Amino acid sequence: AAGVIQSPRHLIKEKRETATLKCYPIPRHDTVYWYQQGPGQDPQFLISFYEKMQSDKGSIPDRFSAQQFSDYHSELNMSSLELGDSALYFCASRSPRDSYGYTFGSGTRLTVV
Amino acid sequence: GNSVTQMEGPVTLSEEAFLTINCTYTATGYPSLFWYVQYPGEGLQLLLKATKADDKGSNKGFEATYRKETTSFHLEKGSVQVSDSAVYFCALRRVDSSYKLIFGSGTRLLVRP
Repeated sequence: AAGVIQSPRHLIKEKRETATLKCYPIPRHDTVYWYQQGPGQDPQFLISFYEKMQSDKGSIPDRFSAQQFSDYHSELNMSSLELGDSALYFCASRSPRDSYGYTFGSGTRLTVV
Repeated sequence: GNSVTQMEGPVTLSEEAFLTINCTYTATGYPSLFWYVQYPGEGLQLLLKATKADDKGSNKGFEATYRKETTSFHLEKGSVQVSDSAVYFCALRRVDSSYKLIFGSGTRLLVRP
């Protein structure tokens, strides 16, 4: 079965650089959520999209932005990277027919050096 | 506000031992409750869920009962296996438009042969 695809799996960036993380939801899933998981931490909600519109916003820094495109994939853009941005970034998608059915991707591990 | 509190880990057990991981929540309204499992290097996988009070979620020998009176959703398994070693996250789903998940801090389980 198709899963949530995230790319890249690993990313190493230097401080003050920019990174773009991509998330491809399960086909026909119209909702995407982004989470940040620091080392040994619980996943923290960043932002979500429903039908290409932002539906909720969490603890996302102003240096980050995100959007959902017409094919429902989503991109998280991170600028002026800081060492503290090093984390595992998950996205999850949800079907409009199953409000409990969240499927998570394997994540992108971002390391800022 | 909405929050989830889990017992701290790591929890170390011998194979075939009984497992309990405590989870309590604070929420307005009647949230749905979930347990997710995360294996090393992988994304979060749904283990079980309960959508209303007194519901019991179960999967792969794991069980959890939604206790509204004690605001708890403790995870149990009668006989753990080495392959159950992972990090377990309790989560609630807010009753609002975005349906985002709020996670606890996670509990690492180590099962020794």
